[in-house]
Amino acid sequence: GQSLEQPSEVTAVEGAIVQINCTYQTSGFYGLSWYQQHDGGAPTFLSYNALDGLEETGRFSSFLSRSDSYGYLLLQELQMKDSASYFCAALSGGSYIPTFGRGTSLIVHP
Amino acid sequence: DGGITQSPKYLFRKEGQNVTLSCEQNLNHDAMYWYRQDPGQGLRLIYYSQIVNDFQKGDIAEGYSVSREKKESFPLTVTSAQKNPTAFYLCASSMVGSMNTEAFFGQGTRLTVV
Repeated sequence: GQSLEQPSEVTAVEGAIVQINCTYQTSGFYGLSWYQQHDGGAPTFLSYNALDGLEETGRFSSFLSRSDSYGYLLLQELQMKDSASYFCAALSGGSYIPTFGRGTSLIVHP
Repeated sequence: DGGITQSPKYLFRKEGQNVTLSCEQNLNHDAMYWYRQDPGQGLRLIYYSQIVNDFQKGDIAEGYSVSREKKESFPLTVTSAQKNPTAFYLCASSMVGSMNTEAFFGQGTRLTVV
């Protein structure tokens, strides 16, 4: 089967940097995506990594190491509005269907 | 504006009743998905479809049914066979195959069995 592991909760203070890790076990892995979801809302896409290395998009960056089956989402200059759940999702298999992790709840304190 | 629309936002169902959740998209995406979200469980795949008139079971398809008669629409029926249907249901769409790097989600339907 396929599985993704990420921490259940991470806390940080405003202005800090936080890293959310994701390890995966999938067959036919193609790439790793990250999504943000505020309480009761729709998940929204943040980033996608198909190749090893760091992808930067504003305050958010995402990293992938295919050899380690590992990725992370890096959030810089944290703001209160960044308090949300963050999901990693692996695209794998012949159908490229996203399989999601259980999500990490990020709590940003003043 | 292009997007994906789910309705209703809240739905109450009596035990033993079937109920259908609507999902419509105007993004011209071939692939559509239904996920179920429970607290602490993440998103679990119920069904997906990559082309009209074809769909596949996901990880938790028991007690659910779908249809894909039009590219834009992918309704989900929660049947009375689903033992624990109270959950938040999310519909998504994307391009297919290697072009699928981003899924677009609807705002979800929160189903409660009363």
